[in-house]
Amino acid sequence: DVKVTQSSRYLVKRTGEKVFLECVQDMDHENMFWYRQDPGLGLRLIYFSYDVKMKEKGDIPEGYSVSREKKERFSLILESASTNQTSMYLCASRRPTGGIQPQHFGDGTRLSIL
Amino acid sequence: AQSVTQLGSHVSVSEGALVLLRCNYSSSVPPYLFWYVQYPNQGLQLLLKYTSAATLVKGINGFEAEFKKSETSFHLTKPSAHMSDAAEYFCAVTSADRGSTLGRLYFGRGTQLTVWP
Repeated sequence: DVKVTQSSRYLVKRTGEKVFLECVQDMDHENMFWYRQDPGLGLRLIYFSYDVKMKEKGDIPEGYSVSREKKERFSLILESASTNQTSMYLCASRRPTGGIQPQHFGDGTRLSIL
Repeated sequence: AQSVTQLGSHVSVSEGALVLLRCNYSSSVPPYLFWYVQYPNQGLQLLLKYTSAATLVKGINGFEAEFKKSETSFHLTKPSAHMSDAAEYFCAVTSADRGSTLGRLYFGRGTQLTVWP
């Protein structure tokens, strides 16, 4: 089974802090994704990465950046955290070959910005 | 452009009753469709996927979905609800058109399923 691990289940940070959310997958997947999930809004794509050192903006990239230095790790960075970034963050990975492959999700990080 | 609409943000059924969760999609190219389930405090788990091989797709936990191109729908059903089915369900669409962003999923807003004893 694919394992996508997010480093923290719950995180509390203060306004203005630089926040790092880490995601690691163990299946050598090329594609990785970061979403935020808010009640009534579903999942919204923040950033995604096709492969190492590659990144693409999703629908809501403002206030975020990402890093993909190794294939198995995809980091989401909140440059200067604000209260409106309080949310559930979900990481996913996917193999792009062999037909239409689904995304595999981690358990999420619930981030609170005070 | 691709999008998904899930009709009904909340659905309640009695244990043993039919479950029907609605999903309509919009896509300018042949779509590939997914249903995911999210249990409390967990990530999303794949229930089933449509990849054009068959219009009726069977998934895990007794769920199935039927792709209807004429109705642009991919509704999720289960004949008999169980208490353990209580969760949030998400429909998602992508395309394999090489002119598009491969692998990117577009999600609906989710439907919360409550099962009454």
